[in-house]
Amino acid sequence: GAGVSQSPRYKVAKRGQDVALRCDPISGHVSLFWYQQALGQGPEFLTYFQNEAQLDKSGLPSDRFFAERPEGSVSTLKIQRTQQEDSAVYLCASSPGDFLLIYEQYFGPGTRLTVT
Amino acid sequence: LAKTTQPISMDSYEGQEVNITCSHNNIATNDYITWYQQFPSQGPRFIIQGYKTKVTNEVASLFIPADRKSSTLSLPRVSLSDTAVYYCLVAQQDSSYKLIFGSGTRLLVRP
Repeated sequence: GAGVSQSPRYKVAKRGQDVALRCDPISGHVSLFWYQQALGQGPEFLTYFQNEAQLDKSGLPSDRFFAERPEGSVSTLKIQRTQQEDSAVYLCASSPGDFLLIYEQYFGPGTRLTVT
Repeated sequence: LAKTTQPISMDSYEGQEVNITCSHNNIATNDYITWYQQFPSQGPRFIIQGYKTKVTNEVASLFIPADRKSSTLSLPRVSLSDTAVYYCLVAQQDSSYKLIFGSGTRLLVRP
């Protein structure tokens, strides 16, 4: 595809609901990243995949957050029992290289999650 | 971890050159300096990356002094469409894939 795509673009969830956010990276990109961006702040790293392997999940805020990339392409970020503090834009990025020295990451438009 | 400090906001006018300076006093020997641009409702976009001295591409120039404790992103002849948030990042030496964004500099270009 032309770039990284994410769906849905907007999601409103009631507190306590589960949500699933999808990321379609650029075809052939080995590395995939998830970031969380609060209003007025820079993105914060959540997790990193190299192909289907989740190599770093140190940024996931709690065990309610779960990410997967089972076939090494599409990835899903799942948030269970959403809380109001989960409201943010969730950004996905991909990169053609492996995990060393990846500075140029290609970001999708993000999914804006609002928890009411 | 090299923390970066950059101005919260800057104003400019169309056609001017804009220089955004970032300080990173604790930069490590093997760290690279990277700049990203973000428009509203979009993900960040890579602009430029450098290690030392000067790097130039079709969009911007990056100046890095010998001590590498700061860097300056230079945008020549800005237009209204350059209004965005600009982030200065220093990659962690041991996990360079983990981009660490600060709060960025909000550049407003006026007509």
